[in-house]
Amino acid sequence: RKEVEQDPGPFNVPEGATVAFNCTYSNSASQSFFWYRQDCRKEPKLLMSVYSSGNEDGRFTAQLNRASQYISLLIRDSKLSDSATYLCVVNRRTGSARQLTFGSGTQLTVLP
Amino acid sequence: NAGVTQTPKFQVLKTGQSMTLQCAQDMNHNSMYWYRQDPGMGLRLIYYSASEGTTDKGEVPNGYNVSRLNKREFSLRLESAAPSQTSVYFCASRDSLSYEQYFGPGTRLTVT
Repeated sequence: RKEVEQDPGPFNVPEGATVAFNCTYSNSASQSFFWYRQDCRKEPKLLMSVYSSGNEDGRFTAQLNRASQYISLLIRDSKLSDSATYLCVVNRRTGSARQLTFGSGTQLTVLP
Repeated sequence: NAGVTQTPKFQVLKTGQSMTLQCAQDMNHNSMYWYRQDPGMGLRLIYYSASEGTTDKGEVPNGYNVSRLNKREFSLRLESAAPSQTSVYFCASRDSLSYEQYFGPGTRLTVT
């Protein structure tokens, strides 16, 4: 079983739609959770951290359910510019280097 | 603000050839990482360096070596390239207080 699992998609949604991505992780000791965004043929960039209480950044809402080891990302009022691959990321407590484990990503295309 | 830079951007090698991928960061980060990204596999950690003078194996180190030349620079060497090493290689760095990693633009390597 992969440490971080995501639905690869693709998700094709019309502009203005609401779309949700889910992610599960296997290491119950994980403490830090993130969503990264990766545009086509570009490097990953941090979209937002995910906190236990849930957090919102504009049109983006992230939720964490530690009991179910489940993370979600909700995008409201989708824009064409939201088209990208969204990577679910979890910390791995190994040594002192604060490693991250990346999911394979969920591909989103927002259609005009 | 350069952030994390990588050279070269593209490279084609023949099986058995060697090459070094260069990475440099100007953010005074202690930790640096090398990943490879393959379709459907997500980012996989090859090697990391928690601080200048230290390096450790990640998830997929076979066939690679690294050098942390100084605090800024972390290079990845393929001694005898194989077709299985065809991939996109990303370098990343992180500061001491955060899990957030900053990525370079990547090197697209093809081994024929």
